[in-house]
Amino acid sequence: DAKTTQPTSMDCAEGRAANLPCNHSTISGNEYVYWYRQIHSQGPQYIIHGLKNNETNEMASLIITEDRKSSTLILPHATLRDTAVYYCIVRGLGTASKLTFGTGTRLQVTL
Amino acid sequence: DARVTQTPRDKVTEMGQEVTMRCQPILGHNTVFWYRQTMMQGLELLAYFRNRAPLDDSGMPKDRFSAEMPDATLATLKIQPSEPRDSAVYFCASGSNRGHKGAYAFFGQGTRLTVV
Repeated sequence: DAKTTQPTSMDCAEGRAANLPCNHSTISGNEYVYWYRQIHSQGPQYIIHGLKNNETNEMASLIITEDRKSSTLILPHATLRDTAVYYCIVRGLGTASKLTFGTGTRLQVTL
Repeated sequence: DARVTQTPRDKVTEMGQEVTMRCQPILGHNTVFWYRQTMMQGLELLAYFRNRAPLDDSGMPKDRFSAEMPDATLATLKIQPSEPRDSAVYFCASGSNRGHKGAYAFFGQGTRLTVV
């Protein structure tokens, strides 16, 4: 599975959009981009995933560049409850495909 | 809401004792993951199963750790004997590849293990 690179930490004002970048320059054609987050002391929570088209759900939007080498998770109106560590993961669909977490981005939403 | 259930939530044990952590995956999910999280190492994948068969347990110390799925509703992670360095939060996650354009996993709330 391809490796990902994320900033260590980011800040965002409450009510503003939080844009979390992720680089995955070695992604393969059949690998998806997944985003999870982990709020302190809880289990990681699935947010969204995509292959090459932009995706949106009730939690967030995922923008994947045309060359698929990077992506951005967008939380349109961040709240204090969005303070968490956000993980970008690249994963294939094979039966032996792992879900491997990196160090993630610590997002701090402030008043 | 369907959820992954882990028991116990907290466990304190003495070094050398056997520890068994249990996980009930979401009904219908065919993939189960075990992770360990510490401040130093972050989230480490220990093992995972597909249709109850172990696919990869390369992240697990073989001499003291064992993972099994006796049936589709129960996954266990056992440490024998436990050591202080095993102190961590252990997460179980379940997922499915069926009927989705991609697979994703739902995590339990974890078992916080302290070995003294």
